[in-house]
Amino acid sequence: DGGITQSPKYLFRKEGQNVTLSCEQNLNHDAMYWYRQDPGQGLRLIYYSQIVNDFQKGDIAEGYSVSREKKESFPLTVTSAQKNPTAFYLCASSIVAGGPDTQYFGPGTRLTVL
Amino acid sequence: KQEVTQIPAALSVPEGENLVLNCSFTDSAIYNLQWFRQDPGKGLTSLLLIQSSQREQTSGRLNASLDKSSGRSTLYIAASQPGDSATYLCAVSHQTGANNLFFGTGTRLTVIP
Repeated sequence: DGGITQSPKYLFRKEGQNVTLSCEQNLNHDAMYWYRQDPGQGLRLIYYSQIVNDFQKGDIAEGYSVSREKKESFPLTVTSAQKNPTAFYLCASSIVAGGPDTQYFGPGTRLTVL
Repeated sequence: KQEVTQIPAALSVPEGENLVLNCSFTDSAIYNLQWFRQDPGKGLTSLLLIQSSQREQTSGRLNASLDKSSGRSTLYIAASQPGDSATYLCAVSHQTGANNLFFGTGTRLTVIP
């Protein structure tokens, strides 16, 4: 089955720790995205990548880092510099960046800071 | 900066009713508009995508319209069912850039059996 997988589904972090959220896709899509969703707010873009070894900051990149070493993988690291990391994180992909197609979303990872 | 608004924030209807969800956006220079469905604690599922040159798209009981000049879109759901209960999100992308989506805050729909 083609799709996007995110792991883990739930993640707990102590203050001051870095954590990495996994996102993998087998759709052969060039573009991948990370969004954050908070209660009562729309999704906000953290980072996006149009091609391997390239990525760009979104609207709320501070305190986050990404890498795109392989086409199918786009992990997100939430660093200790992110002041309020508790949220629902969604990864998405599309065939190409800037194209007419939709974005396909993974099931999400819920991060809670203890 | 693009702002996307969805009204109402929540809506409850009895089963079988037809209903309309609204979405408005401030910058009309969009590339496309999409409607997504999100079940609690889950990811997003794309329902309909309307290109900026199109007026509407239909899929089954769903019909989405787009009035780009006035910055508005509606999602019409016919003969609602309890399984339609979810949050519906509207998102727009711009003509330039990397297909980044700007999302509204969503409408939480409850269809009462």
